[in-house]
Amino acid sequence: DQQVKQNSPSLSVQEGRISILNCDYTNSMFDYFLWYKKYPAEGPTFLISISSIKDKNEDGRFTVFLNKSAKHLSLHIVPSQPGDSAVYFCAASEGPGNTPLVFGKGTRLSVIA
Amino acid sequence: EPEVTQTPSHQVTQMGQEVILRCVPISNHLYFYWYRQILGQKVEFLVSFYNNEISEKSEIFDDQFSVERPDGSNFTLKIRSTKLEDSAMYFCASSEMDTYEQYFGPGTRLTVT
Repeated sequence: DQQVKQNSPSLSVQEGRISILNCDYTNSMFDYFLWYKKYPAEGPTFLISISSIKDKNEDGRFTVFLNKSAKHLSLHIVPSQPGDSAVYFCAASEGPGNTPLVFGKGTRLSVIA
Repeated sequence: EPEVTQTPSHQVTQMGQEVILRCVPISNHLYFYWYRQILGQKVEFLVSFYNNEISEKSEIFDDQFSVERPDGSNFTLKIRSTKLEDSAMYFCASSEMDTYEQYFGPGTRLTVT
């Protein structure tokens, strides 16, 4: 069962424009959401996160929005840069420390110069 | 910046053989995890480990798998008798107490022939 879904396997965006990556979840027990970025032959790198008590978290060019009633979150990258080209994974957790992360299948972002 | 390291980067083994994958978590982290990613699929949780014992394991983590912290720095995953379907990228991760963010190593690509 897919508790975390990323329905777009790929996304192409022009350099300088906004990239929007989407994620949906089904488990109401999730209380924390994370975005990871992954380059080929590397492990997932933590990018940004958001608690379920918030609806927005911003870190530089990256902003994550959470719509809890819709069980939907999105990652906005503005402006997009060629170095942002990677696979982005949405992950969710039911609790801090020692709790498994549940990942989506990922979205491959290509930023075209 | 501290990081999780994993060895080897690539392991090729024959079906039925035992393999040990090694990880050195971030030194002040207390929780340790193994995940795997079969080619083209999502990252899946295998097991979490705290205070020298397994905290949680997934259905994938059957009797063929075991984990150990043999000393103060290493964390290992052993597969007793490998199967073709064990071919995957195996990621080790670690986290601090009472936090959600898990930090991943670069992975070990296991190829079972």
